[in-house]
Amino acid sequence: QVQLVESGGGVVQPGRPLRLSCAVSGFTFSNYAMHWVRQAPGKGLEWVAVISSDGSNKYYADSVKGRFTISRDNSKNTLYLQMKSLRAEDSAVYYCTRGVLTGYLGYWGQGTLVTVSS
Amino acid sequence: QSVLTQPPSASGTPGQRVTISCSGSRSNIGKSYVYWYQQLPGTAPKLLIHKNDQRPSGVPDRFSGSKSGTSASLAISGLRSEDEADYYCAVWDDSLRGVVFGGGTKLTV
Repeated sequence: QVQLVESGGGVVQPGRPLRLSCAVSGFTFSNYAMHWVRQAPGKGLEWVAVISSDGSNKYYADSVKGRFTISRDNSKNTLYLQMKSLRAEDSAVYYCTRGVLTGYLGYWGQGTLVTVSS
Repeated sequence: QSVLTQPPSASGTPGQRVTISCSGSRSNIGKSYVYWYQQLPGTAPKLLIHKNDQRPSGVPDRFSGSKSGTSASLAISGLRSEDEADYYCAVWDDSLRGVVFGGGTKLTV
């Protein structure tokens, strides 16, 4: 069955970097675009970034552009989100999701919590 | 403030039919497929409707989606207590070059 397992969350100081990972199984990873979506505590869903199946196309939300980098390693079936210059407003549960480039977020991981605090 | 506008709350009694609206613009709903997600308390979101009005396998036919122009709607008929959740619409925005979500609608049964 399709599984997406995020890791790497935790408490980090403002301005510091953090890298999230999402290990997938149960499907051919290299056939699908992958997205990161986040949800601040008690708030709604916010799309963060998408990467195409081969990694050649990447798009970002304006709120993270220039600070976050999405990447993937198809040989390791793993998606990444490198976050730098973290701010308090980046605190959220980060979900990785499988889809197509323009949406269709059909499968979601359980999420990993990032808390940016001094 | 979200690019897509949803009512913050909706309610109904068991057996009733409720509708949740999602209003956008020509660059998003007017051009692309609309998706709906259900998020039960304490869980990850789940795809409920794709490509405007298609249900993934396993989603009851009590849930239906529609789209007209720059607006979309999710209808839930035969309301059940287990439908109590947050519902989000989402679509690709051609101008922003990204996925945009509505602010979410909290459904109370």
